[in-house]
Amino acid sequence: NAGVTQTPKFQVLKTGQSMTLQCAQDMNHEYMSWYRQDPGMGLRLIHYSVGAGITDQGEVPNGYNVSRSTTEDFPLRLLSAAPSQTSVYFCASSFHSGTGNGYTFGSGTRLTVV
Amino acid sequence: DQQVKQNSPSLSVQEGRISILNCDYTNSMFDYFLWYKKYPAEGPTFLISISSIKDKNEDGRFTVFLNKSAKHLSLHIVPSQPGDSAVYFCAAGQGNLIFGKGTKLSVKP
Repeated sequence: NAGVTQTPKFQVLKTGQSMTLQCAQDMNHEYMSWYRQDPGMGLRLIHYSVGAGITDQGEVPNGYNVSRSTTEDFPLRLLSAAPSQTSVYFCASSFHSGTGNGYTFGSGTRLTVV
Repeated sequence: DQQVKQNSPSLSVQEGRISILNCDYTNSMFDYFLWYKKYPAEGPTFLISISSIKDKNEDGRFTVFLNKSAKHLSLHIVPSQPGDSAVYFCAAGQGNLIFGKGTKLSVKP
């Protein structure tokens, strides 16, 4: 099993450009989420989804869009990149959100906005 | 306002000794508490969890303690090994997980 796959691993964008970070899981997990990790800030929730067709905002949603058309995929779109969005982005999944078994994380996408 | 706090950014321990990582939380409605381990350039990996109805959970060298009255969580690693050197995140929630800022553990041979 591949688990949670994130692409690309690295990306450099210019301010104002848009892009999509891809996330796919093959574990038939209902719950998927996006976090960003910044130095000294830990992991902060951007958006999440409890199933196909259902998405909701997390703690820091501004500047990002998501959709969930299939159980497997949960792409994160940056509409107009800003330097403040320079970060490491992690996608996570689990059978459901209220789980004590934890999330499975992807290996991350390191994004730099110049 | 931080709901999950890890007040020690770093911890250094000698190999074979005990490592104790601490975490405080503010929301008494949290019903699950978890610890994640993260190596550089990798995603966090789940280590151990505890539900709010328990006060202790063990898995090999790792034990998590929960003190609900103090809203305090701790992870004990005994004995510590150099391979345990990583950043440890505490997380809590009743739906989505809220993460602390992490503690970097260094285990010296």
